[in-house]
Amino acid sequence: DAGITQSPRHKVTETGTPVTLRCHQTENHRYMYWYRQDPGHGLRLIHYSYGVKDTDKGEVSDGYSVSRSKTEDFLLTLESATSSQTSVYFCAISSDRDTEAFFGQGTRLTVV
Amino acid sequence: EDQVTQSPEALRLQEGESSSLNCSYTVSGLRGLFWYRQDPGKGPEFLFTLYSAGEEKEKERLKATLTKKESFLHITAPKPEDSATYLCAVYNAGNMLTFGGGTRLMVKP
Repeated sequence: DAGITQSPRHKVTETGTPVTLRCHQTENHRYMYWYRQDPGHGLRLIHYSYGVKDTDKGEVSDGYSVSRSKTEDFLLTLESATSSQTSVYFCAISSDRDTEAFFGQGTRLTVV
Repeated sequence: EDQVTQSPEALRLQEGESSSLNCSYTVSGLRGLFWYRQDPGKGPEFLFTLYSAGEEKEKERLKATLTKKESFLHITAPKPEDSATYLCAVYNAGNMLTFGGGTRLMVKP
């Protein structure tokens, strides 16, 4: 299994509070991604990174920000959580931009 | 806009009953098509990468094929442990990986 660790695995938070999800990899892969998975929508890309301090928006980036200060860590922040951000969040990594991506185990976030 | 459509949404098979899952795509500048397996409560697990029409990949009871407009995942003599959701995804020239909605496969003993 690819060395990807997501934390926390489960979180319940209140509307309006900030939340940060962490993705840590031990593979030294250049690319890191954050996806959300919702019934009826499948997996959708939120943000991705192609190097330290290099990030770009995905399909559903509104309300989310990311940071990557080290190769191994990619953080996803919800500045002010809303109920529509209740979802399962997956981190993924890939060695290059058109190679297979490997996924973490996911973080289930509930915003009440 | 890139689109990936998987069919059927759900498929019930008897153990040993072979079948195929379909992934139709429209993408600007295909850079690769990927198949994943996802078990409940887990992240997608990589199965295959296909890069060009005519390419085929095999792994145990699974075989993936690619044409210019679609990909098939053939399952030969499936077993109950093959039950999972199978996801198809495409990479476009803009470095975006777009996923289909998945096919939920249930194999009964």
